Amino acid sequence: DIQMTQSPSSLSASVGDRVTITCRASQSISSFLNWYQQKPGKAPNLLIYAASSLQSGVPSRFSGSGSGTDFTLTISSLQPEDFATYYCQQSYSTPRTFGQGTKLEIK
Amino acid sequence: QVQLQESGPGLVKPSETLSLTCTVSGGSITSYYWSWIRQPAGKGLEWIGRISSSGSTNCNPSLKSRLTMSVDTSKNQFSLKLTSVTAADTAVYYCAREISQETIRAFDVWGQGTMATVSS
Repeated sequence: DIQMTQSPSSLSASVGDRVTITCRASQSISSFLNWYQQKPGKAPNLLIYAASSLQSGVPSRFSGSGSGTDFTLTISSLQPEDFATYYCQQSYSTPRTFGQGTKLEIK
Repeated sequence: QVQLQESGPGLVKPSETLSLTCTVSGGSITSYYWSWIRQPAGKGLEWIGRISSSGSTNCNPSLKSRLTMSVDTSKNQFSLKLTSVTAADTAVYYCAREISQETIRAFDVWGQGTMATVSS
């Protein structure tokens, strides 16, 4: 199985901050990397697919980059509704695997 | 707009079988993969497995010996059966649609999730 490791596991930030979350794969996954946002009691929501493509309807303050084993999710200017947990997920092979999550909290 | 809805008993006894169904509305079940993903309370996401509209499956090796998935295209439904459940199988279970194309493979539509508790 491909292991996905996110850092940090938690992060405190303020509205308006620029935030970056990192995801590392245990082997090369090309650009088959997706990012999801999950709010309490809700299903995850796709933000970024194929490492850097913005899902329809997702605000442009979200962006993704990387290829191979190292990836980042950046939120350019945090908004109140962005405080949530973020997961990366590889779709290079099965079993599909997720990172452990990064909880973004209000400072 | 495609919507997914999970259904099934919320409480299952240890050693028994957990059965869940996901109903797809607003679109066809063909041309996509359909996955089950679970999340224990306060923990991360675990992919359980997927099935195509033609019935081909891929399973998480950690669950493969206990897992059966099926699809009913006439009802636009797909299902999961997990046998010999224990407390470790207690989780919110999500069904999700996976776009699986040459460069795009992602879970773009999710159900709201259903809680399954294993307890006597």
